[in-house]
Amino acid sequence: AQSVTQPDARVTVSEGASLQLRCKYSYSGTPYLFWYVQYPRQGLQLLLKYYSGDPVVQGVNGFEAEFIKSNSSFHLRKASVHWSDSAVYFCAVRRTGNYKYVFGAGTRLKVIA
Amino acid sequence: DAGVTQTPRHEVAEKGQTIILKCEPVSGHNDLFWYRQTKIQGLELLSYFRSKSLMEDGGAFKDRFKAEMLNSSFSTLKIQPTEPKDSAVYLCASSRTEVFFGKGTRLTVV
Repeated sequence: AQSVTQPDARVTVSEGASLQLRCKYSYSGTPYLFWYVQYPRQGLQLLLKYYSGDPVVQGVNGFEAEFIKSNSSFHLRKASVHWSDSAVYFCAVRRTGNYKYVFGAGTRLKVIA
Repeated sequence: DAGVTQTPRHEVAEKGQTIILKCEPVSGHNDLFWYRQTKIQGLELLSYFRSKSLMEDGGAFKDRFKAEMLNSSFSTLKIQPTEPKDSAVYLCASSRTEVFFGKGTRLTVV
């Protein structure tokens, strides 16, 4: 069965610092991978996705993620965070040809001045 | 392009009441999902429709939860009867290639 692990429930970083949010998945094939962000009182919004090709994918607002198959990881990165990046971030995986998304538990990011 | 619209945004129900949550998916999307979101369980899939046909009805949620999709542009989630443990945010999402989420309905059962 597929699973997604986000080992850090909460992350606090200073504004302007770099960021990495970790995501590891369990799936025997090559999955489709996603990062979503959820702001307070909002639904989830897609940040970026990986289907195939270049393992480094760019998303909105300066976010990027790298698919490392050997490590079953899809960590999210940003070079310089802004206070408005404070939100909950979800990693998700979907099997090719399958509708079912499996979401991680989420990482709550707090950006402080 | 309008996103996924959910109404109401907030609902307060007394234990034992019947409530109906509504969802309008993105036009042209074939897949529609209902999720429940809680701090403890995270995102749990309640129902999944493909082209209006119910493909998955959420196993453990079958008992008091019923999702319907009478046409391609409207879906409902009925909870009957409500219990305090149903207090959560209910998210509707639709998809063609990527999933788009609504803002959710926050349900409080007292």
